[in-house]
Amino acid sequence: DVKVTQSSRYLVKRTGEKVFLECVQDMDHENMFWYRQDPGLGLRLIYFSYDVKMKEKGDIPEGYSVSREKKERFSLILESASTNQTSMYLCASSLKGLAQYFGPGTRLTVT
Amino acid sequence: EDKVVQSPLSLVVHEGDTVTLNCSYEVTNFRSLLWYKQEKKAPTFLFMLTSSGIEKKSGRLSSILDKKELFSILNITATQTGDSAVYLCAALPYSGGGADGLTFGKGTHLIIQP
Repeated sequence: DVKVTQSSRYLVKRTGEKVFLECVQDMDHENMFWYRQDPGLGLRLIYFSYDVKMKEKGDIPEGYSVSREKKERFSLILESASTNQTSMYLCASSLKGLAQYFGPGTRLTVT
Repeated sequence: EDKVVQSPLSLVVHEGDTVTLNCSYEVTNFRSLLWYKQEKKAPTFLFMLTSSGIEKKSGRLSSILDKKELFSILNITATQTGDSAVYLCAALPYSGGGADGLTFGKGTHLIIQP
């Protein structure tokens, strides 16, 4: 079974803090993705990576950065958290051209 | 801009009914259509459809893709309360060299009443 894990299920941070969300997959997948999910807007792609040290912007990259130093780990960084980044963050991984498998999600609240 | 539209947005039926969920797409370099089920947590993968007209089946769930008319349907027969969830459809494009993210529809919120 594919396993994608995320470092926290719930996180509360203050405006202006730097926030790290970690994602780890154990299936040797090349591709990893970060999405956010908001009511009425659905799932939207923030960033993705198709190899170590490679990254591509998704639909809504502003205010975020990512890091992929090892194949199994993909980090999402909020350089200076803002209240409009309060959301559910979902990480996913896949082999090239195949279905993406999601982690359990991190519900981030920025106050 | 790539677009995936699901209908209906919400649906309430009784246990035992059959439901059909719809998904239409307009996606550049379309490769595959995926269906996910989301309860109060992350989406879980149901089906991936790449070829037109070939039905995929898993228990009471089935799905088919029409690449000419650019839509897919997800059928659930003999529904049970455990089928209550948000069903998401997503389009996967071909990528040039690397990965591409999914474009998701907003989901159909299905409620099965006992």
